[in-house]
Amino acid sequence: SQTIHQWPATLVQPVGSPLSLECTVEGTSNPNLYWYRQAAGRGLQLLFYSVGIGQISSEVPQNLSASRPQDRQFILSSKKLLLSDSGFYLCAWGRLAGNEQFFGPGTRLTVL
Amino acid sequence: AQSVTQLDSQVPVFEEAPVELRCNYSSSVSVYLFWYVQYPNQGLQLLLKYLSGSTLVESINGFEAEFNKSQTSFHLRKPSVHISDTAEYFCAVSDLEDSSYKLIFGSGTRLLVRP
Repeated sequence: SQTIHQWPATLVQPVGSPLSLECTVEGTSNPNLYWYRQAAGRGLQLLFYSVGIGQISSEVPQNLSASRPQDRQFILSSKKLLLSDSGFYLCAWGRLAGNEQFFGPGTRLTVL
Repeated sequence: AQSVTQLDSQVPVFEEAPVELRCNYSSSVSVYLFWYVQYPNQGLQLLLKYLSGSTLVESINGFEAEFNKSQTSFHLRKPSVHISDTAEYFCAVSDLEDSSYKLIFGSGTRLLVRP
């Protein structure tokens, strides 16, 4: 069966510090991968998606970036965090249209 | 571009009462529709989905949703809610013509079941 992992589970970082969040998927190959952000009291905003290794599409302009160094690994990064980067970050994987996306447990990021 | 509207940000209801959570989407192109549930500090779990066929879809825990193409709606209903149904519910749409298979989410509805 497929499993999706995210770490760390929680993170508190000062403004201006770098960020690296990791997402890995097990039990499937060549998945589409997605990064979402959920701000407090708001819905999910799609940040990035990837249909293959090294292929990244950005949905919104921001100071975050994403990379996919391996088929089942998806990384969210920032060189300098802003207060507005605080939120709950969710990684998801999916295969074909008609199949749902499967979500990881999320990372709670607080920028102080 | 696709958009999803969940008009109610919070729905309070008493235990064993019926509930309806509303969802409307913008596009008339062929779509897949989903309802996800999120418990506090957790990821999203699929509740049910409409792909094709019968317009009424059901989940294993008593929720159902009906796809209405003419009204571009996919409202979620349950005839009798439990305390354990307290959670945030998200409606999402996937455009069949979008090869990225992205999901567009609504802003969510918090269901608060009171004893």
